[in-house]
Amino acid sequence: DAKTTQPTSMDCAEGRAANLPCNHSTISGNEYVYWYRQIHSQGPQYIIHGLKNNETNEMASLIITEDRKSSTLILPHATLRDTAVYYCIVRGNQAGTALIFGKGTTLSVSS
Amino acid sequence: NAGVTQTPKFQVLKTGQSMTLQCAQDMNHEYMSWYRQDPGMGLRLIHYSVGAGITDQGEVPNGYNVSRSTTEDFPLRLLSAAPSQTSVYFCASSSHSAPYEQYFGPGTRLTVT
Repeated sequence: DAKTTQPTSMDCAEGRAANLPCNHSTISGNEYVYWYRQIHSQGPQYIIHGLKNNETNEMASLIITEDRKSSTLILPHATLRDTAVYYCIVRGNQAGTALIFGKGTTLSVSS
Repeated sequence: NAGVTQTPKFQVLKTGQSMTLQCAQDMNHEYMSWYRQDPGMGLRLIHYSVGAGITDQGEVPNGYNVSRSTTEDFPLRLLSAAPSQTSVYFCASSSHSAPYEQYFGPGTRLTVT
């Protein structure tokens, strides 16, 4: 499984875009990039995932570089409730294994 | 839908006691998993199941047992509690078609004294 590297922490002003980077230089062709977040004391929450095309949903956008070695999760208008630990995870889509969580990026949104 | 539910929310055990953490989901998901999270750390996988009657070990299985007799339920048993098992335990489920879009429960906060 491809290893991911994320910054330990980031800050963002409320109302601005939060751009969270993730490096996954050993990703293989059939592996997806998944993003989760965990708000303090709650269970993790699925945000978005992608293979090679950029993806957008009601929560966020995911930009994957053309060589697929890195990606960026974008929260377009961060709010205080977006303060959380964000996890970037690379997995194939074949069933039979489970998610491996690292330490993630702690995003602090302030007013 | 209630999603993924876990009981109890809080539990205090003495060393050597046994107990079962309950997890249930009403989404008809094939996959279910148990994770533990220690302070300041990411989640670590304990056990998982890809369907009723099938379970497998994760990263930190020692001291825990699981079974999957129904699609809905995936209980986690602590055989003889130890202080090292003090942690927050999360259960998760997902479908066969999207195994890594996992839905997590609210967690059980366990303290072993």
